[in-house]
Amino acid sequence: EAGVTQSPTHLIKTRGQQATLRCSPISGHTSVYWYQQALGLGLQFLLWYDEGEERNRGNFPPRFSGRQFPNYSSELNVNALELEDSALYLCASSRGTGNTEAFFGQGTRLTVV
Amino acid sequence: AQSVAQPEDQVNVAEGNPLTVKCTYSVSGNPYLFWYVQYPNRGLQFLLKYITGDNLVKGSYGFEAEFNKSQTSFHLKKPSALVSDSALYFCAVRDGGYNKLIFGAGTRLAVHP
Repeated sequence: EAGVTQSPTHLIKTRGQQATLRCSPISGHTSVYWYQQALGLGLQFLLWYDEGEERNRGNFPPRFSGRQFPNYSSELNVNALELEDSALYLCASSRGTGNTEAFFGQGTRLTVV
Repeated sequence: AQSVAQPEDQVNVAEGNPLTVKCTYSVSGNPYLFWYVQYPNRGLQFLLKYITGDNLVKGSYGFEAEFNKSQTSFHLKKPSALVSDSALYFCAVRDGGYNKLIFGAGTRLAVHP
């Protein structure tokens, strides 16, 4: 069974540009979560999608947005990139709601220069 | 609000010795607790979870965790540490209302030969 896959692995962007990160969940998983792991700041929750709907978002500005497609894959978009957006962005998936564990992808390393 | 605390930034242990990585939690209602491990430049790997039942939970790679309700703790343990166990360990609690995982700051485990 394939795990959670994220693309690209690395992404370098210039300040002010837009970045798009992609995530494919494990087959059968309907929930997708996005986290930001910036140096020294731990894992910060960004967004939760389930069945195509945004269910919850963390304390991030509106320029962080995303969507979930009918096949449950997801995109994270970051507009007007700032230097402090440089981080490892992790996607996770789980079997819908409930107390099941979430499985993480390898992450996308976004560097803003 | 749900939260977890990992009081130690780093734990050092000699190979072959038992290891403990500490985690305390604060939740309203029943706690749903998880441990994950992160190797350098990688995503998080699920180790184990506590939902209900036995207070001693066994997980992957020989790890186990002890749930203690009176002390609101969920410490990760392993009877005999390996050098390959050296990594960053995260404790997490599920925010039941929103399904997302809330992570502790992480504890770096260093196992010395």
